[in-house]
Amino acid sequence: DADVTQTPRNRITKTGKRIMLECSQTKGHDRMYWYRQDPGLGLRLIYYSFDVKDINKGEISDGYSVSRQAQAKFSLSLESAIPNQTALYFCATSDNGQAFSGANVLTFGAGSRLTVL
Amino acid sequence: AQTVTQSQPEMSVQEAETVTLSCTYDTSESDYYLFWYKQPPSRQMILVIRQEAYKQQNATENRFSVNFQKAAKSFSLKISDSQLGDAAMYFCASLLRYGGSQGNLIFGKGTKLSVKP
Repeated sequence: DADVTQTPRNRITKTGKRIMLECSQTKGHDRMYWYRQDPGLGLRLIYYSFDVKDINKGEISDGYSVSRQAQAKFSLSLESAIPNQTALYFCATSDNGQAFSGANVLTFGAGSRLTVL
Repeated sequence: AQTVTQSQPEMSVQEAETVTLSCTYDTSESDYYLFWYKQPPSRQMILVIRQEAYKQQNATENRFSVNFQKAAKSFSLKISDSQLGDAAMYFCASLLRYGGSQGNLIFGKGTKLSVKP
């Protein structure tokens, strides 16, 4: 099984619908992230969480919300999807970065491609 | 604010040849990490190589090496003996070790590498 699992892999939805993207990990990492990838723009951070009680907005959090249900689970919600939220969404995890060596390497899920019509 | 710039949207290399992908970054911090990620058509994000800013020695991973010029804020990736499987999008990224942006991996917009047989 993958270390970081994202569901669904692909989803087509309509404007105004609520969508939840789910992420679970078996790495035992404290830190989890949601990124969005658009062609020509690279990856941009939506939200990140350093532990279950710590949620932080990233660069492009408007229109999104997250929930850290457990250390291993971090979900991203679009309360009312709009077409410009069509993108590839990545969940990622990392350790707590205390050790310089080997630290802060993000492990990515396989991505969830969302299309909003 | 951190920024990462990849000035080459597309590059092409002949199989078995060497290619260098460029990346420049900007940060006012002195303690940070730099990364190159590969994204093949499968869309999985795969870590290629990592460099800690405090290390003067350039990182190497088999056929992949970097030229890290801290003063110039340059972090280029050299791929030697290019293989067909190296064809992918390559993203340069930076991460501060400390501070409020800790955990926020900043990506460049990517370079699409084609490998010709």
